[in-house]
Amino acid sequence: EIVLTQSPGTLSLSPGDRATLSCRASQSVSSNSLAWYQQKPGQAPRLLIYGASSRVTGIPDRFSGSGSGTDFTLTISRLEPEDFAVYFCQQYVGSSRTFGQGTKVEIK
Amino acid sequence: QVRLVESGGGLVKPGESLRLSCAVSGLTFSDFYMSWVRQAPGKGLEWVSYISPSGSSGSPIYPADSVRGRFTISRDNAKNSLFLQMNSLRVEDTAVYYCARGHHGLEFWGQGTPVTVSS
Repeated sequence: EIVLTQSPGTLSLSPGDRATLSCRASQSVSSNSLAWYQQKPGQAPRLLIYGASSRVTGIPDRFSGSGSGTDFTLTISRLEPEDFAVYFCQQYVGSSRTFGQGTKVEIK
Repeated sequence: QVRLVESGGGLVKPGESLRLSCAVSGLTFSDFYMSWVRQAPGKGLEWVSYISPSGSSGSPIYPADSVRGRFTISRDNAKNSLFLQMNSLRVEDTAVYYCARGHHGLEFWGQGTPVTVSS
């Protein structure tokens, strides 16, 4: 099983700040088979990024994904008030599917 | 627009069974893989199972070791519906269960149905 470890656990930032979230895999994630989700309290997750760096239609361009192999990053260039939420990474290599434990982006 | 609506959750005792349903509209259901994902209270996400568009191409997949042999995913393309039969339920199966479209990145999700397993 591929274990995904996200860091930091909590990110305390202000609106307008840049957020950098990390997702590290226990083994190589082939074909960049990695996605990122945003989840707000009481809501289902929302897919932001797939294929490590492809943004879903309708997702603002302040969200970007990068990385390969075992190290991946989600960057939010300038935080808007609606971006404060929990973010999960998820891999889909072969028939394996696992999520990271999440990073909470909170208002400082 | 795409809509997924789960139902069938509730309170059951350990060892009992439950069948979840997901009604899908706004897309050609038979074209897509479908998945179940769960989230225990205050916890992260766990991918429970996914199934191919036809339901028969390849076996349904159960990435979560803890549900293999107890849970069964199925679909009825004529009724645009996805199901999850959950047997021998355990306290640790307590979670909100979401259905979602896809088997790589999950772009569309339902609102979830809560399942509580408690004596």
